[in-house]
Order: sequence, then C-alpha cells, then structure tokens
Amino acid sequence: QVQLQESGPGLVKPSQTLSLTCTVSGGSISSGGYYWSWIRQHPGKGLEWIGYIDYTGSTYYNPSLKSRVTISVDTSKNQFSLKLSSMTAADTAVYYCARTNLISGTTSYFDYWGQGTLVTVSS
Amino acid sequence: SSELTQDPAVSVALGQTVRITCQGDSLRSYYASWYQQKPGQAPILVFYARNNRPSGIPDRFSGSSSGNTASLTITGAQAEDEADYYCNSRDSSGNHLVFGGGTKLTVL
Repeated sequence: QVQLQESGPGLVKPSQTLSLTCTVSGGSISSGGYYWSWIRQHPGKGLEWIGYIDYTGSTYYNPSLKSRVTISVDTSKNQFSLKLSSMTAADTAVYYCARTNLISGTTSYFDYWGQGTLVTVSS
Repeated sequence: SSELTQDPAVSVALGQTVRITCQGDSLRSYYASWYQQKPGQAPILVFYARNNRPSGIPDRFSGSSSGNTASLTITGAQAEDEADYYCNSRDSSGNHLVFGGGTKLTVL
C-alpha cells in the first residue's frame, strides 16, 4: 500500500519561502511510471493543482504559480519537495502531495494522497 | 477561474440517484477523474477515465462523458455519500491539470 506523508513548517512569515517534503512509502519513486504532484486547498475552498514531477526531475507547473514554484525529487530518500517563494496570506492553505497517473495522453488521476498539512502565512 | 465548471451544490433524497456534472472544453479531449472529500479529510479517488472505479469504491458510483461534460452518478445515494466532489482533468493545453470548483452534495 502506497503512503504519502507531508512534512514541513506549519507557520511561514510573509515574503519567506515555504519548503515542504513528501515522503513516499510502499513504492519507489525511481521505479517510474508515475508523476508526483503538489495540490493545495485554501480554507473552505476548492482544490488547486500546483505542479508535478517525475523521477527524472521533469516538471510541469500551474501557470498561475509557475514564477514562484520549484518542485524537486530525491530518489535516494524516496521524497519529493515543494518550494513556494514570496509567500503571502493568500498562500495560507492545506498542502497535499499525491501520486499522479498520466496515461495514454488522455487519462489523468491522483490515486494516493497524503493527509495534508496546514500552512499558515503570518508574521 | 477554473477551466472546469461544477454546480456549487446538489441535493438528493436518501436512496435516490444523483448526477454531478463537470463542464469544460478540455473534456472533449481528456477524461475526467472524480474525488470525494469529507470535512477534515484528504480527497479520495472515486472514479476515473471511461469506466474505472478504484478498488473499495462502491459500485453505486459510476461515471460518463459526452461532449464537453463529464458526469459522476451515484445510484442509490447513502448518507455517507454526503461530501464535496471534485472533478479533475487536463487543461486545454494538455500539459497541466485543473480541478473543477467542487460540488457540495447533501443527502436529505
């Protein structure tokens, strides 16, 4: 059973950079075949895809966040990470990591999710 | 703004059938996936692509697609189906993923 677990600070000051890590267990990132996404949810709002990475380090980002987002992977630790710069109160959200399937050019879905971690931006 | 549009709220009587829809131009080219989220919990995948239901998801959940609209149907809704439902697919470029705004399902 694949499990994902987010870790990182629950409180970030405005203008700082958020760093979160997702640790994957029950499966190896380096085995390929999957992508690894970050998704966030503002309080009381809907889901927002941030971006994904594959085991080679190839990335795609949400165009609305692209200038501030970096996703990286460490296959030796079976982890992938999110950095979001220039944080503001508008970035306060629950951040999820999820295993992502992109199949046959037409199919995409997230089959395993972390429990999510609340990040609050406040001085 | 989302490229996938969902009705904000839908209600259904216990045991009846409800359809939750997701509209977007990209759905003419790409399949949708559907997620159920209950308060304080992470979303779970309940249906994806043409006809795929993950293991453990009751068979009362089904999906369909026509033109620019994807639908999630719950046949015989149960009290435990009360939740927020989100669709997801690729955007019109095909390179990025996008969620619908979500539909709050109330089981009466």
